[in-house]
Amino acid sequence: RKEVEQDPGPFNVPEGATVAFNCTYSNSASQSFFWYRQDCRKEPKLLMSVYSSGNEDGRFTAQLNRASQYISLLIRDSKLSDSATYLCVFFSSGDGDSSASKIIFGSGTRLSIRP
Amino acid sequence: DVKVTQSSRYLVKRTGEKVFLECVQDMDHENMFWYRQDPGLGLRLIYFSYDVKMKEKGDIPEGYSVSREKKERFSLILESASTNQTSMYLCASSTGGLYSPLHFGNGTRLTVT
Repeated sequence: RKEVEQDPGPFNVPEGATVAFNCTYSNSASQSFFWYRQDCRKEPKLLMSVYSSGNEDGRFTAQLNRASQYISLLIRDSKLSDSATYLCVFFSSGDGDSSASKIIFGSGTRLSIRP
Repeated sequence: DVKVTQSSRYLVKRTGEKVFLECVQDMDHENMFWYRQDPGLGLRLIYFSYDVKMKEKGDIPEGYSVSREKKERFSLILESASTNQTSMYLCASSTGGLYSPLHFGNGTRLTVT
């Protein structure tokens, strides 16, 4: 099983729609979770952390389901400017001699908002 | 705001050249990372460093080396550039620990001809 699975899309939705996508992870030791946004030919930028109780930032809601091992991102009232690729990221404890966390990136879900 | 600066936005080099990609962060972060990103392959970790003069191999270190002589600077070196190293290179830094997200530089698009 892949460490992380993310639907590549593209999701093509009209402006104003609500859209949601998930990211599943296989390592139950994963301990922290993030969503990043990446515009075409630009660097990934942190969108939001994902907390156990779920969290909201304006039109964006992130949720974590540890039992089923996935995180989700919901975007309400989507704007044209939301068009981007959304990457999920998981951190888990380092293994072996490395003290660094292991960081796993999903391959990204492409979202396109049409007028 | 965290600032991670990569020295070049676009770079064109010839096969066999030695290439240096520089990255500087201004937030006193412990951890620094080099990734490459290719269509269909996502982000792949080349090397990371969690302290000055410390380095660890990532998933695809072959053909690369790194240097971290100062905390704020992490350099990626292509000893002898090859065409399959044409890619977008992204540097990132973090404070370390499980709850510290990565902050990325704006990337260097390297073309090796």
